[in-house]
Amino acid sequence: NAGVMQNPRHLVRRRGQEARLRCSPMKGHSHVYWYRQLPEEGLKFMVYLQKENIIDESGMPKERFSAEFPKEGPSILRIQQVVRGDSAAYFCASSPNPQGQPQHFGDGTRLSIL
Amino acid sequence: QQPVQSPQAVILREGEDAVINCSSSKALYSVHWYRQKHGEAPVFLMILLKGGEQKGHEKISASFNEKKQQSSLYLTASQLSYSGTYFCGTEPPGNTGKLIFGQGTTLQVKP
Repeated sequence: NAGVMQNPRHLVRRRGQEARLRCSPMKGHSHVYWYRQLPEEGLKFMVYLQKENIIDESGMPKERFSAEFPKEGPSILRIQQVVRGDSAAYFCASSPNPQGQPQHFGDGTRLSIL
Repeated sequence: QQPVQSPQAVILREGEDAVINCSSSKALYSVHWYRQKHGEAPVFLMILLKGGEQKGHEKISASFNEKKQQSSLYLTASQLSYSGTYFCGTEPPGNTGKLIFGQGTTLQVKP
């Protein structure tokens, strides 16, 4: 049973470039969550998506960040015009239902901005 | 809104016990506990849904006092493999899906 798959594991971008992070949920899971973890800090909720719908994006920065979870294919977290402060580990988690269910995390994408 | 974990750090010898607390100022539907080792993904330990509920996972158990909005994680007879950072994730009522994580408790188990 494949777990939550994220790619790439490591991503290096220069300031001003775009970063695309991908997440395929566990089989049977239709709820996807993105979290950001700055070095030596905790996990901060960014966005919660179901297939083709953004349910809660209260943790997303207002500019440059967007997320989608299309009918076919992985969920994508997109960061435009990256800045040094975007350097972090981005984790995706999935669950079969939104409430009262364990969220299983992928291995994360470590984004470094030069 | 972020739950508060205590203590911030714990150092144990193998075989010793530890308790990690998680306290929220908001009403909670559930509490999730995770362990994360450096450079790795958080690993799910357990979820607690009801007031006063206790759950166990190997030698790790937890309780959840819904009325006090508090949860505690109990690690007994600690092993070297228990080292890592423990996070509680609180889930508010209302089918929101999102977890709000505490700042973490770093646990180091020494031989």
